[in-house]
Amino acid sequence: RKEVEQDPGPFNVPEGATVAFNCTYSNSASQSFFWYRQDCRKEPKLLMSVYSSGNEDGRFTAQLNRASQYISLLIRDSKLSDSATYLCVVRYPPTGGFKTIFGAGTRLFVKA
Amino acid sequence: NAGVTQTPKFQVLKTGQSMTLQCAQDMNHEYMSWYRQDPGMGLRLIHYSVGAGITDQGEVPNGYNVSRSTTEDFPLRLLSAAPSQTSVYFCASSYLPSDNDNEQFFGPGTRLTVL
Repeated sequence: RKEVEQDPGPFNVPEGATVAFNCTYSNSASQSFFWYRQDCRKEPKLLMSVYSSGNEDGRFTAQLNRASQYISLLIRDSKLSDSATYLCVVRYPPTGGFKTIFGAGTRLFVKA
Repeated sequence: NAGVTQTPKFQVLKTGQSMTLQCAQDMNHEYMSWYRQDPGMGLRLIHYSVGAGITDQGEVPNGYNVSRSTTEDFPLRLLSAAPSQTSVYFCASSYLPSDNDNEQFFGPGTRLTVL
């Protein structure tokens, strides 16, 4: 079983739609959680960190459920420019060497 | 401030050849790591380092060596290239996560083909 699992998609949605991605992780000792965005043939870039209390950044909302070991990302009012691959990322604590593990990514296509 | 730089951008090797992928950062980050990215597999951690002189294995370390003699540089060595090592390689760096919120900065990647 992969340490971080995501639905690969693709998700095809029209502009203005709301879309949600989920991610599950297997190591209950995981300490930090993030969503990264990766455009085609480019390097990944941080979209947002994920906090236990949930957090929002504009049209993006991230939530963490430690008990069920899953992370979610909600995108409201989708734009064409949101088309990308979204990577769920989990980081281990110091006892785990701060290792950072990436999910395989969920592809999103937003259509006009 | 160049961020994270990687060289070369593209490389073609023959099976059995060795080479070193270079990675450097100018942000004084303690934490550096190497990933490979293959279609449908996402990024997989090869090796990482929490500071000069300290390295450790990630998910897929076999066939690769690393060293960290300075804070700035973290080269990745392929000892004897194999076609299974054809991939896109990303180097990343960040501050040590003293709290839960340290962004990793990635280099532009090296596209390696092993024939």
